[in-house]
Amino acid sequence: GAGVSQTPSNKVTEKGKYVELRCDPISGHTALYWYRQSLGQGPEFLIYFQGTGAADDSGLPNDRFFAVRPEGSVSTLKIQRTERGDSAVYLCASSIRQSNEQFFGPGTRLTVL
Amino acid sequence: AQSVSQHNHHVILSEAASLELGCNYSYGGTVNLFWYVQYPGQHLQLLLKYFSGDPLVKGIKGFEAEFIKSKFSFNLRKPSVQWSDTAEYFCAVNGGYQKVTFGIGTKLQVIP
Repeated sequence: GAGVSQTPSNKVTEKGKYVELRCDPISGHTALYWYRQSLGQGPEFLIYFQGTGAADDSGLPNDRFFAVRPEGSVSTLKIQRTERGDSAVYLCASSIRQSNEQFFGPGTRLTVL
Repeated sequence: AQSVSQHNHHVILSEAASLELGCNYSYGGTVNLFWYVQYPGQHLQLLLKYFSGDPLVKGIKGFEAEFIKSKFSFNLRKPSVQWSDTAEYFCAVNGGYQKVTFGIGTKLQVIP
């Protein structure tokens, strides 16, 4: 497709479990971003990739959160030992390098019981 | 650090009324500014953006925003809203290398 895709669309897990969220950016976009949006809040920056490397991971809340982008395209956000406070919509966006216009995916709604 | 403040969290208007949503940011340097919109059941999409040049920016669906540097503001306007404009609107600022900070959002409800 032409847009950013994210899978799964919904994920329900139990406290303490490990989850992986996947993002497929727009083809040719070298920059990829992860955000978290809690209820009643705007998207909160987590991490930004330029190519394969994390250019800015200052938004990751703690070391339970980790993201990779091994081939410079698809990215996976990994959350270990999930907590109820991790429940949110996780958004992915991509952009062409040198452009600040970001295109968002539909998000993954994570619910930690 | 950069931050964004949206003044109105929930706005209710009748169709054909004029709209202005406030947005103020704090950042000491050059900024890029955005308004994103999220229609019910849809994902975030760009409404308009300001990078440089003319401070009055026109976006899709008749929306416009004015960048006033002295006031650190980037207010969104539309002369006549429609029921289909019912959505949540987010102001965002990018003052560094690709990191974007979003405001809390304003929910707009347009009554037919």
